[in-house]
Amino acid sequence: KQEVTQIPAALSVPEGENLVLNCSFTDSAIYNLQWFRQDPGKGLTSLLLIQSSQREQTSGRLNASLDKSSGRSTLYIAASQPGDSATYLCAVVNAGNMLTFGGGTRLMVKP
Amino acid sequence: SQTIHQWPATLVQPVGSPLSLECTVEGTSNPNLYWYRQAAGRGLQLLFYSVGIGQISSEVPQNLSASRPQDRQFILSSKKLLLSDSGFYLCAWSVLVEQYFGPGTRLTVT
Repeated sequence: KQEVTQIPAALSVPEGENLVLNCSFTDSAIYNLQWFRQDPGKGLTSLLLIQSSQREQTSGRLNASLDKSSGRSTLYIAASQPGDSATYLCAVVNAGNMLTFGGGTRLMVKP
Repeated sequence: SQTIHQWPATLVQPVGSPLSLECTVEGTSNPNLYWYRQAAGRGLQLLFYSVGIGQISSEVPQNLSASRPQDRQFILSSKKLLLSDSGFYLCAWSVLVEQYFGPGTRLTVT
């Protein structure tokens, strides 16, 4: 059974810092990995999707990498802003397009 | 563009009462549809998924059921709610590999 772990569970940084969120998964036979953002009481917003054949994806200040063989992904946020404060969720897809989620990292960026 | 709607946004129901949550998708055809639950202190859990009208698969045994009466409509139901059914319910859709989520329904069972 696939298990997804996200470290740290919570993170507080001053504005302007670069930061890295970590995601690990136990079954490396994934089809893709997706990073989401969730604001309090809201649904999930898809940030980046990395296919299993890819090593990284970039969108603006966000960069996500994937090392399938070691079961790891990182989300890099450059020059963090208070508006980046949210919970970030990592999810992997195995067969059947089913997402297995990690527990999330709650990020607070202080002005 | 595609949009996904869920209603109601919030719901407070007594134990033993029935439940019906609705999800609709616009701007796409024959999507895969999903129901997830996010309970306090627990991660997001897949409850049901559907690859077509009338085709429902359940991931976990539970007090809930799902139906897909139309291509872009997905309904989550219960005949008698339990306290443990409280949580944040999210509907999602996909056509290729990426999943897109709705705004969610906050259910509190009292």
